Amino acid sequence: EPEVTQTPSHQVTQMGQEVILRCVPISNHLYFYWYRQILGQKVEFLVSFYNNEISEKSEIFDDQFSVERPDGSNFTLKIRSTKLEDSAMYFCASSVWTPRTGELFFGEGSRLTVL
Amino acid sequence: SQQGEEDPQALSIQEGENATMNCSYKTSINNLQWYRQNSGRGLVHLILIRSNEREKHSGRLRVTLDTSKKSSSLLITASRAADTASYFCATESDYKLSFGAGTTVTVRA
Repeated sequence: EPEVTQTPSHQVTQMGQEVILRCVPISNHLYFYWYRQILGQKVEFLVSFYNNEISEKSEIFDDQFSVERPDGSNFTLKIRSTKLEDSAMYFCASSVWTPRTGELFFGEGSRLTVL
Repeated sequence: SQQGEEDPQALSIQEGENATMNCSYKTSINNLQWYRQNSGRGLVHLILIRSNEREKHSGRLRVTLDTSKKSSSLLITASRAADTASYFCATESDYKLSFGAGTTVTVRA
């Protein structure tokens, strides 16, 4: 069964360092998303991406964050200068349709620890 | 904010019992979705109910939606130990899916 894959599964970084989290969405999906979940808390929307551009973003997704689809398969989230409060599990998701019509498929997550 | 809020925060039941959790939200929605998350894992979609639907079933899951009360419920019948997980409702608005804080369900063998 097709699945969303994310790498790395766990990354530890020093405050101020740049981090890139990678995702391979399901191949025929058109919509891509990043969510994050601070330990034990709610799953928070960061950004959605369609047709090679950001379609929606939350207030969390500030200038420190960027997303890119560098080729036909990868979808990346970059955090330019990490802060302690960026420590969280980051989930990539993809979907065939918009959330208005269908479900999202999530990856297993990348745990980011900022020291 | 649009996101749903689940109630209760945590639920502990015996295997074979039913588990019911509720979700309330604030503004109008196009659909409401329920997801499940095993500890430390990704979210898995369970069921989607549209704003013009009142009830939907999928296996041992039953979801209701009351748009007048802005609430939904998820019922898991005849629970199993493998149902132990966190359950999240997610509301769609403006093409964005927003999640609540979840209900943690523990099914005791």
